[in-house]
Amino acid sequence: QKEVEQDPGPLSVPEGAIVSLNCTYSNSAFQYFMWYRQYSRKGPELLMYTYSSGNKEDGRFTAQVDKSSKYISLFIRDSQPSDSATYLCAMGSQGGSEKLVFGKGTKLTVNP
Amino acid sequence: KAGVTQTPRYLIKTRGQQVTLSCSPISGHRSVSWYQQTPGQGLQFLFEYFSETQRNKGNFPGRFSGRQFSNSRSEMNVSTLELGDSALYLCASSVSGLTGQPQHFGDGTRLSIL
Repeated sequence: QKEVEQDPGPLSVPEGAIVSLNCTYSNSAFQYFMWYRQYSRKGPELLMYTYSSGNKEDGRFTAQVDKSSKYISLFIRDSQPSDSATYLCAMGSQGGSEKLVFGKGTKLTVNP
Repeated sequence: KAGVTQTPRYLIKTRGQQVTLSCSPISGHRSVSWYQQTPGQGLQFLFEYFSETQRNKGNFPGRFSGRQFSNSRSEMNVSTLELGDSALYLCASSVSGLTGQPQHFGDGTRLSIL
């Protein structure tokens, strides 16, 4: 079983739709969670960063973490064509120098 | 504030050669991590440097090595290149690389092996 599982999609939605992206993980040591957005030919860009279970909102983006179920989500409201990208979840554990574990990414296309 | 800068952006090499990639972190960031990204495996951690010392290492063969200089700039080297080394190599920096500090990525070096 891989440490982090993410549905690769692709996911295609109309403009204005609510998008839900998800990752599951198996390692209980993961304590904090990130979502990155990666456009074609660019590096990953940090979107959201959460440490505890619960919700965190930033504009049209909401990150949700459920540690009891080992499940994290990213919701995008009022999706725009500019949101078309690959979304990567990433996780890190407590204790020392950083080694992030990434999901394989979900490719999202928002159609005008 | 300038972001993470990686050079070169693109490289083409042949099997058996070696290659050196460079990364300049965000000013004030002292931790540099390297990742390999491929369509099949996604992003995989290579190693992390802080204060010129390697603190963490992923599961890659010894052909992959790195170093960090006193100004926090980092290089990674791949020797005896194989076709499977074709990938996007990403560098990320954070203030100290300690737990919970977000990492910021450069745009990567795309390495193609012929």
